[in-house]
Amino acid sequence: NAGVTQTPKFRILKIGQSMTLQCAQDMNHNYMYWYRQDPGMGLKLIYYSVGAGITDKGEVPNGYNVSRSTTEDFPLRLELAAPSQTSVYFCASSYSTGGRNTEAFFGQGTRLTVV
Amino acid sequence: AQTVTQSQPEMSVQEAETVTLSCTYDTSESNYYLFWYKQPPSRQMILVIRQEAYKQQNATENRFSVNFQKAAKSFSLKISDSQLGDTAMYFCAFMKRIGIQGAQKLVFGQGTRLTINP
Repeated sequence: NAGVTQTPKFRILKIGQSMTLQCAQDMNHNYMYWYRQDPGMGLKLIYYSVGAGITDKGEVPNGYNVSRSTTEDFPLRLELAAPSQTSVYFCASSYSTGGRNTEAFFGQGTRLTVV
Repeated sequence: AQTVTQSQPEMSVQEAETVTLSCTYDTSESNYYLFWYKQPPSRQMILVIRQEAYKQQNATENRFSVNFQKAAKSFSLKISDSQLGDTAMYFCAFMKRIGIQGAQKLVFGQGTRLTINP
């Protein structure tokens, strides 16, 4: 199993450009997440999904969009990039056991710089 | 507000020493999971150890153990016989129920930067 795969690993965007961060997992997990990590901080939730076709906002959703057409894929779209979106982005997935999510599996992260 | 506080922004110890990282949290849930994640310079988030709040016994994983005090909402990580490869950022986190259909998210502290010196 590859686990959670994110692409690209690094990207530089100009202000106003758009891009999509790709995320795929091969563990058949229902739950998928996008977090961002600003320098010296913990991770904050951008969006999450509980299954194909079902997504919801997290703590910091402004400037982002997501879709989930399959169980495996959960892309994050940045529209009109701004310097405030300079961050490291993590995709994660998890499963539920007895109604509890016991662990989150993370991708390797994408370092995005907006200039 | 449900939060996680790590009061030590940085720590530094000599190789082979024992080090304890502190974490306190606040949640209104009665059962939940607590975690310590390690983030080395490679950026990868690596699960170090996990504790179910329902269980009184402290979790251990080789050189890593926790001191879980549920009433005090304290969850410290002890690293014994520290190694150079333990140098990393360490994050304390718990799983919180959110939004729709049983979804949960990790709530993270701000991290402790641990350096192991040779």
